[in-house]
Amino acid sequence: RKEVEQDPGPFNVPEGATVAFNCTYSNSASQSFFWYRQDCRKEPKLLMSVYSSGNEDGRFTAQLNRASQYISLLIRDSKLSDSATYLCVVNDWGAGGTSYGKLTFGQGTILTVHP
Amino acid sequence: EPEVTQTPSHQVTQMGQEVILRCVPISNHLYFYWYRQILGQKVEFLVSFYNNEISEKSEIFDDQFSVERPDGSNFTLKIRSTKLEDSAMYFCASTSHGTYDGYTFGSGTRLTVV
Repeated sequence: RKEVEQDPGPFNVPEGATVAFNCTYSNSASQSFFWYRQDCRKEPKLLMSVYSSGNEDGRFTAQLNRASQYISLLIRDSKLSDSATYLCVVNDWGAGGTSYGKLTFGQGTILTVHP
Repeated sequence: EPEVTQTPSHQVTQMGQEVILRCVPISNHLYFYWYRQILGQKVEFLVSFYNNEISEKSEIFDDQFSVERPDGSNFTLKIRSTKLEDSAMYFCASTSHGTYDGYTFGSGTRLTVV
């Protein structure tokens, strides 16, 4: 089983649409969780951290279900500028007492928002 | 906003040559990392560095790779004898304590081995 698994897409949606991305992770000892976005041939940029209680940042909502080892990202009212690859990222900081925060990335989900 | 700076942005080298990729992490960060991304593939962990020593490394990080923090600001990745399969984007990252903060990545060095 892949450590972090995402639907690769691509998702093609019109402006204004709502789109949801899903992610599962295999290491139950994982400590923290993030969504990053990556534009073509650029560095990953932190979009938001994901908390068990769920969290929202403007049009973006992230959810974490530790029991199911499942993470989601919802984007409402999609903009053209949201077109990117969305990376589900898991941090094993401190897991087993030896990790210094290795990030494990999913393959990414490609989103294209069209006019 | 503080940045992680990487140089060069693009390096072309011949197979078998040594390359050094350079990074200047954010000044008050304590944990430093190298990741790589082969074209079309996912971002992969190479190595983490804390308190002037390697704290964790992946299977990719074999004897051909080394890291160094030669002074208080630079953090380098050296590949001793490059192979064609080392061609990738190499990202440096740093964090003060990333449990819930996430990491800041540099803009990357595109390494092309010919």
